Order: sequence, then C-alpha cells, then structure tokens
Amino acid sequence: AQSVSQHNHHVILSEAASLELGCNYSYGGTVNLFWYVQYPGQHLQLLLKYFSGDPLVKGIKGFEAEFIKSKFSFNLRKPSVQWSDTAEYFCAVNALVNSARQLTFGSGTQLTVLP
Amino acid sequence: EPEVTQTPSHQVTQMGQEVILRCVPISNHLYFYWYRQILGQKVEFLVSFYNNEISEKSEIFDDQFSVERPDGSNFTLKIRSTKLEDSAMYFCASSGGLDGTQYFGPGTRLTVL
Repeated sequence: AQSVSQHNHHVILSEAASLELGCNYSYGGTVNLFWYVQYPGQHLQLLLKYFSGDPLVKGIKGFEAEFIKSKFSFNLRKPSVQWSDTAEYFCAVNALVNSARQLTFGSGTQLTVLP
Repeated sequence: EPEVTQTPSHQVTQMGQEVILRCVPISNHLYFYWYRQILGQKVEFLVSFYNNEISEKSEIFDDQFSVERPDGSNFTLKIRSTKLEDSAMYFCASSGGLDGTQYFGPGTRLTVL
C-alpha cells in the first residue's frame, strides 16, 4: 500500500523567507502527486500537481514542487513567503494501480508566516 | 469557477442516530469521493463512486456507511448508527474523467455526542 510522509509538522517563518516542505512517498510504481493547501476555515484547494513530463511543476501563488523519482520525493518550495501563506499544506499521492483513484494524504504541515 | 458544495457545514447528533451528509459535485465530473479527517489526524479515504456504484472503499467504510447518488446532482454519505469515533470533518471530492485531479468541498464537521 502507498504511504506519504511529511516530516515537518509545524514550520514557522518570517515574511520573505524561503520555504521548502518535504514530502516522501512509498510506492514503486507510477504515481500522480499533489499538493493541497487548507487556509484557516477553508476547504482543501489544489496548489499544484505532477502527472508526467517536466519534474519541476509550478502551481498557484508562486509555489513550485520538484518530483525526484530516485528519492521518492515531491518537495514544495516557494522562494519568498507571505503572511497570507499561513495555512496547512498536504501532500497527496495517487498510485496508478488498477485505475485506483484514491488519494493517500500525508499528515500535513502547518505553516505559520510571521509578519 | 465551479465548486464542490457540501451541506450542512456542521452537524451535531446523538450516538446511535443516523446522519446524511450531502454533497453537490462539480456538474460534469464523473468520479465522486468521500474522505474524512479526525481532528489532528490525516485526511483518510473512505470511498469512491463511479457509474452509480462504489469503485473503491477503505476498511473504514464498513456496513454502517453507505453512499448514494439519488439524482443527477447530489452525492450523499449516510452513517446509519453514529459512534463517538465518527466525529470528524467529512470532505466530498469530485474529479473529471481525464486527469483524475480531485476537487474538494468545504467539508461537514460531524460531532457525535
């Protein structure tokens, strides 16, 4: 079965600092990878996704993520965070087995950006 | 932009009661899902639904749970006899047929007393 690990449970940064949130998954086959964000009091929103092609994917609000297959990683990055980026960030994996479509989520990383 | 909607936003019920959580997926989507998130824990997959039948379900989705698409727009999750441990945020999601990206609703917070 696939699993997803997010090792940073809570990250606190000052505005303009750079961000990198780790995500590792365990599954040896083909995967689709996602980052979702949940702003306080709001629902899960898709930040970006990787299906195939260029392993560096760009999402909304200046976020990007890099798929490194050899490391089973899909880390999320942003060069300069803003106070409005305060939210919980979830990495998710969809392993393409038998057309299975369920997402497996990591435990989430709470990002707090100090003004 | 089309969105997944869910009602109610918060449901409080007594243990043993039945609850029905409602979702309206994005209109041209074909796949529908329920997930739940117990406070402080991961978002967990419950069930997926395609072509008017369950396509996958997790071990959480036992006989107390059922899903239905009663008409062309709604997608419901029923819990027949709620337990304290069913207290969680329940998220509905839908996806189109092409790339499988799932779009989530705002969630229903279920509190079982």
